[in-house]
Amino acid sequence: SQTIHQWPATLVQPVGSPLSLECTVEGTSNPNLYWYRQAAGRGLQLLFYSVGIGQISSEVPQNLSASRPQDRQFILSSKKLLLSDSGFYLCAWSRRLQETQYFGPGTRLLVL
Amino acid sequence: AQKVTQAQTEISVVEKEDVTLDCVYETRDTTYYLFWYKQPPSGELVFLIRRNSFDEQNEISGRYSWNFQKSTSSFNFTITASQVVDSAVYFCALSERSGGGADGLTFGKGTHLIIQP
Repeated sequence: SQTIHQWPATLVQPVGSPLSLECTVEGTSNPNLYWYRQAAGRGLQLLFYSVGIGQISSEVPQNLSASRPQDRQFILSSKKLLLSDSGFYLCAWSRRLQETQYFGPGTRLLVL
Repeated sequence: AQKVTQAQTEISVVEKEDVTLDCVYETRDTTYYLFWYKQPPSGELVFLIRRNSFDEQNEISGRYSWNFQKSTSSFNFTITASQVVDSAVYFCALSERSGGGADGLTFGKGTHLIIQP
């Protein structure tokens, strides 16, 4: 069966510091991978998605970036965090386009 | 542009009552997919159902049922005989076939369901 992992589970970072969140998927190959952000009291917003190694599509212009160095690894990064980057970050995977997306446990990020 | 509206921000019912969560969507595509996810306090989104636009049959899974009506662009979710463990935020989501390259889900803002013992 497939599982999706995210770490860290929680993170408190000062404004201006760098960020690296990691997501890995087990039990499948060549998945589509996604990063979403959920701000407090709001729905989920798609940030990035990837259909293969090195292929990243950005949906929202911002100071975040994503990379996919390996088939089942998806990384969300920032060089300098802003207060507005606080939120709950969820990684998801799907087998193919338009198919069900399965979500990881998420990372709670607080920028102070 | 696609859009999902969950007008009920919060619903509170007493255990064993039936409750319906509303979802209305907007899309110009004839082929699309609708989803419901549950987000318990732990935060992880749990997949509940996926329905394509050509399948209007209602579905029942235990105490859960879904009513898809293309005529009103609605995909409502009913929990029968609610239980405290059903307390969570429920999200309705839409995925268009021709998403302009974007394969992400468009989520509603969620309905916070509170089941009181």
